[in-house]
Formats: sequence, C-alpha cells, structure tokens
Amino acid sequence: AQKVTQAQTEISVVEKEDVTLDCVYETRDTTYYLFWYKQPPSGELVFLIRRNSFDEQNEISGRYSWNFQKSTSSFNFTITASQVVDSAVYFCALKGGSQGNLIFGKGTKLSVKP
Amino acid sequence: DAGVTQSPTHLIKTRGQQVTLRCSPISGHKSVSWYQQVLGQGPQFIFQYYEKEERGRGNFPDRFSARQFPNYSSELNVNALLLGDSALYLCASSSREFGNQPQHFGDGTRLSIL
Repeated sequence: AQKVTQAQTEISVVEKEDVTLDCVYETRDTTYYLFWYKQPPSGELVFLIRRNSFDEQNEISGRYSWNFQKSTSSFNFTITASQVVDSAVYFCALKGGSQGNLIFGKGTKLSVKP
Repeated sequence: DAGVTQSPTHLIKTRGQQVTLRCSPISGHKSVSWYQQVLGQGPQFIFQYYEKEERGRGNFPDRFSARQFPNYSSELNVNALLLGDSALYLCASSSREFGNQPQHFGDGTRLSIL
C-alpha cells in the first residue's frame, strides 16, 4: 500500500524564522514521484516541486529547499526566512510509476506571524 | 494560457439531490482527475480520465460517476447526496496519464449538503 505521512498538523513561526515541513512516504514501487503543493486560504492547490525516485539531488529555489532521502523515505521541505505570505497548508503527495493519481498526506498548516 | 477552470464555485444542495460539477483542463492536457477534499484532510482521489476513458477510480461508492468529453472537459456527477458529501471538489489536469508531470488544480467547487 502507498501512504504519505505528514506528522506535523500545525506549525506556527515568527516571520524570518526558518521552518521545515516533514514528509515520510511508503511505497513498494521502484519508480515513483514525489510532489509538494501549497494550498492558500483561497483553496487552489499550487504545485511547488516534483522529485523522481531515481534522482536524489536536493534542490534550492529561492527561499525554498527540498531534501529527498530515499534511505529514510523522506522528502522534507524547508522555507528559509519565512514570510507572512507563506502562510498556507502544505501537502506532500506521492504518485506510483504506473499510476495516474496522487496520494496526499493530511497536510501541514503553516502560520507565519509578523 | 488559462488554468484549470471549474464551475460552479459554490453549490448548496439538500440530501437526496443530484449534482453535476464541471471542469475544463489546461489547453493540451488530455488527463483529468477528480479529488474530494473534506475539511482538514488531504485530497482523496475519485476518478482519472485520459483520452475519454476511465483510467482509475478511488474508493468511492457508485453514486459517484464521471465522464470526459471529446474536448477533454469533464463532469463529475454525484447522486443521492449525503451530508458526508459536503466537501471541496477539485479537478486537476496533466499532459500525460502517468509519469512525473505535475497535476495542475482548479480552484475547486465547494459543495454544501443541508
């Protein structure tokens, strides 16, 4: 069975703090894909990043960075110098190599206070 | 280019009624998926259509049905509505059925059952 676990339900930080959102996944597929989405209060899910199972290179994009570790089945997301506009619910999602659908975690609600 | 568009934005129905939700994918995208998001949870997969054929179905009762049209737009139908069907219904499109292509989501239809 495939599963995504986001153990942190809610996180509250003060602006300019760094914050890491955790994601642990389970799959028996040898090829799979991982995604992070952001859902602001308006409701739309916004795609942030994807990672292939065969590519463990970590990535930095501006204030965002992602740490993919196959050995621990984790795909964590770090926001550096958080801003109020980062406040949203963040979802980690998994797609098997021969699947068309995403399996989402329950999400982590991030609140960044000024 | 326009993103994924969904209609209506909000809908209020009573128990036992039927509802049809509509989705237009991003131009050129042939895969459309539907998800149900209950408050406080991650989206749950309902259906995937690709080239007008059903390619996947989540764990939802037969009251839920969908179809995809020649122009790749899609409809989700729910019959005999229950209070538990109250949720945000999200449509997503992607260019391919499988693989690492991200799914792009619409703003959703918020369905309330009274």
